[in-house]
Amino acid sequence: QVQLQESGPGLVKPSQTLSLTCNVSGGSVSGDNHYWSWIRQPAGKGLEWIGRIHSSGTTNYNPSLKSRVNIFIDTSKNQFALKLTAVTAADTAVYYCARYGAHAGGWYSDNWGQGTLVTVSS
Amino acid sequence: DIQMTQSPSSVSASVGDRVTITCRATQGIGTWLAWYQQKPGKAPKLLIYAASSLQSGVPSRFSGSGSGTDFTLTINSLQPEDFATYYCQQASTFPWGFTFGPGTKVVVK
Repeated sequence: QVQLQESGPGLVKPSQTLSLTCNVSGGSVSGDNHYWSWIRQPAGKGLEWIGRIHSSGTTNYNPSLKSRVNIFIDTSKNQFALKLTAVTAADTAVYYCARYGAHAGGWYSDNWGQGTLVTVSS
Repeated sequence: DIQMTQSPSSVSASVGDRVTITCRATQGIGTWLAWYQQKPGKAPKLLIYAASSLQSGVPSRFSGSGSGTDFTLTINSLQPEDFATYYCQQASTFPWGFTFGPGTKVVVK
């Protein structure tokens, strides 16, 4: 059973870069046909999809965040990572990592991390 | 971009009720749609994939339907554990990604 676990600083200063990693156990981030995604959720609000990276390395990002986001895979550590630059208070949220597998032509996730709260504050 | 909308944003219901939630995409997505349930402090849980396929382990009182731009999640005979927030998500590989709907909160009447 694949398990995902987010890690990273819980507090980031405004204008700095938010960096999170998602450790994957029970599966390979680079060897299988999956998308690995980051999703966030501000307190009391809905889910916002941030971006994804395919196990082949192809990336796609939310257009509203594209200029500030980078998602990449670290095969040596079996992890994938999120970097979000120039953060503001609006980036304060619980950040989830998730694995998406293919079914019937679409992509669906039944593997999520538990989420990690990142607060942007000076 | 594809935008996803949901209605209602909140629904009040009692145990035993049938609840219907609607999701609409701004352009056709075939049956590439998922429904997730989220409880406070927890990660979302996949209920339905490919618009109408029940994820393994999910009770049969949950069902999904629709294609193209209009989709429905139905909960038959609502149970106490079903009070939660429900999100639809488009599941295609369009470059703008796996967009979520804004969510529908099912609350106690």
